[in-house]
Amino acid sequence: AQSVTQLDSHVSVSEGTPVLLRCNYSSSYSPSLFWYVQHPNKGLQLLLKYTSAATLVKGINGFEAEFKKSETSFHLTKPSAHMSDAAEYFCVVSDRGRDDKIIFGKGTRLHILP
Amino acid sequence: EPEVTQTPSHQVTQMGQEVILRCVPISNHLYFYWYRQILGQKVEFLVSFYNNEISEKSEIFDDQFSVERPDGSNFTLKIRSTKLEDSAMYFCASRGTNTGELFFGEGSRLTVL
Repeated sequence: AQSVTQLDSHVSVSEGTPVLLRCNYSSSYSPSLFWYVQHPNKGLQLLLKYTSAATLVKGINGFEAEFKKSETSFHLTKPSAHMSDAAEYFCVVSDRGRDDKIIFGKGTRLHILP
Repeated sequence: EPEVTQTPSHQVTQMGQEVILRCVPISNHLYFYWYRQILGQKVEFLVSFYNNEISEKSEIFDDQFSVERPDGSNFTLKIRSTKLEDSAMYFCASRGTNTGELFFGEGSRLTVL
């Protein structure tokens, strides 16, 4: 069975500084991995996804993530934070083709300090 | 751009009443999901649906819950007798292939009094 752990429930960074949101996963098979963002009172929007192609994945709004199989990690990064990045971020794992249960991490709330 | 739509956006109901939440997935998608998010908590998987049947369900999805795709376009979640703890945001999602991304609706907020 798959699982996903987001190591930080809250992360605070200053505007213009780098962002790192950590995610570790476990999966019995070849996983697909996603990052979704949820702004206050809004739905869930896909930031980026990994589905076995390039291990460094670029997403929207300047975010990227690197799939590291040896570390079972899929950390989300951005070189320079913007105030509009303040939101909840969810790491999501799916065991491709094995079962149809897509699991969310508990989420990391990103705070941007002026 | 195609999108998943959900109705109602907000429903208030009395404990014990039946509630039906409706979703219109993206038209050529084959896999459908319901998730819920209790205020301040994580997004929890409820159920997945493929080929007109449930493919996976969580322990949350007990006999009070049911899903249906009655007409080839709508995908509904029914809660037969609501409880206070069913108060949450319910998200519908769909995807086209087994490896594709999930497209989420904006959510239906259910408040049980």
